Amino acid sequence: EVQLLESGGGLVQPGGSLRLSCAASGFTFSSYAMSWVRQAPGKGLEWVSAISGSGGSTYYADSVKGRFTISRDNSKNTLYLQMNSLRAEDTAVYYCAKGPRYCSGGSCYSPGHWGQGTLVTVSS
Amino acid sequence: QTVVTQEPSFSVSPGGTVTLTCGLSSGSVSTSYYPSWYQQTPGQAPRTLIYSTNTRSSGVPDRFSGSILGNKAALTITGAQADDESDYYCVLYMGSGTVVFGGGTKLTVL
Repeated sequence: EVQLLESGGGLVQPGGSLRLSCAASGFTFSSYAMSWVRQAPGKGLEWVSAISGSGGSTYYADSVKGRFTISRDNSKNTLYLQMNSLRAEDTAVYYCAKGPRYCSGGSCYSPGHWGQGTLVTVSS
Repeated sequence: QTVVTQEPSFSVSPGGTVTLTCGLSSGSVSTSYYPSWYQQTPGQAPRTLIYSTNTRSSGVPDRFSGSILGNKAALTITGAQADDESDYYCVLYMGSGTVVFGGGTKLTVL
């Protein structure tokens, strides 16, 4: 069974930093692209960032480019999101996601399995 | 900037059929966008219903189906049930590892 467990959320002041982690199990981690998706309170889903299975390619939404860094450690089956220069508008639940089991091409970058999310609150 | 469009809200009667759509502010949606669909109830993580246009995720009943209708992706729910009342989101693959979510459709079953 696929399991994705996010951690690292919390309250941080504007301008501060936070690192999110996502511990994965139940599948061959290095074979799948992984993503972060967030949801601000009362709002819709917003794609944040993605990384290829090898970690060699990374992608970012314009809203976080230059501030957030996605990475992965395939030896630890763990995905990360380093968030710097945080703003109030970054307040959201952050979900870790993996591509669908039987994906191909671009479909592998769409979320297929989701974690339960971790709340990040940016406030003074 | 590409905007992915969804109906803000929709209603369906119990037992009825409803089709939600997912379009582009400019252009047509095709299978090359690998449209996916998600269901979310308040306080819960999203649940994947459909990926790659029409492939049902594991455990999703066949009441849910995906397709391309005209120039949009579509999610059809047949035999609507009370617990189908949720928010539904689509996502389109834009290339280079990036995807864009639609704004979501709030479905009411009444």
